[in-house]
Amino acid sequence: GAGVSQSPSNKVTEKGKDVELRCDPISGHTALYWYRQRLGQGLEFLIYFQGNSAPDKSGLPSDRFSAERTGESVSTLTIQRTQQEDSAVYLCASSFVRDQPQHFGDGTRLSIL
Amino acid sequence: KQEVTQIPAALSVPEGENLVLNCSFTDSAIYNLQWFRQDPGKGLTSLLLIQSSQREQTSGRLNASLDKSSGRSTLYIAASQPGDSATYLCAVRKITSGSRLTFGEGTQLTVNP
Repeated sequence: GAGVSQSPSNKVTEKGKDVELRCDPISGHTALYWYRQRLGQGLEFLIYFQGNSAPDKSGLPSDRFSAERTGESVSTLTIQRTQQEDSAVYLCASSFVRDQPQHFGDGTRLSIL
Repeated sequence: KQEVTQIPAALSVPEGENLVLNCSFTDSAIYNLQWFRQDPGKGLTSLLLIQSSQREQTSGRLNASLDKSSGRSTLYIAASQPGDSATYLCAVRKITSGSRLTFGEGTQLTVNP
């Protein structure tokens, strides 16, 4: 596609439920990133994928968070047993290679009741 | 720990004015610095990326400079327009932090017609 696509755009769920967020990167981009933007705070790095290499998971805040990516295609971010502090906008970005500009999707706004 | 600070947090100017946004970072060991804009409810749009070996980058009415030794970058916007109203974020990729970007909290710019 022309840009990074994320779905759903909005998600409201009850505390304790699992959620899955999806990211379609720009075709041909080998690098994919997930970030979180909580209200009134800056963006926080979560995880990075580069091709078939082991992902950099150093930003994941707890073991309730996980992400997968198959090759250079779609990625999913899963949050298990959601908590209210997980409420945020989750942004995905991709780049051609690691040192090139990152292009962002419009994000998924997650609200935990 | 890399910290990125943006000053001012908010700025309001009349249309046509030239303006400067500031970004400072504590660790000068960076690969690059990137400026983004974020419109309400949207993801980030990459504006300019400056590699650590570069001093500045220009795109249209935008000019970004980088002084790595002093840990500073500026984004200069010439002849501002109401359409420039957005939040402007700077982010650095630190040499010892792998692929993650560390973001400032942004400057919210309003250009009044």
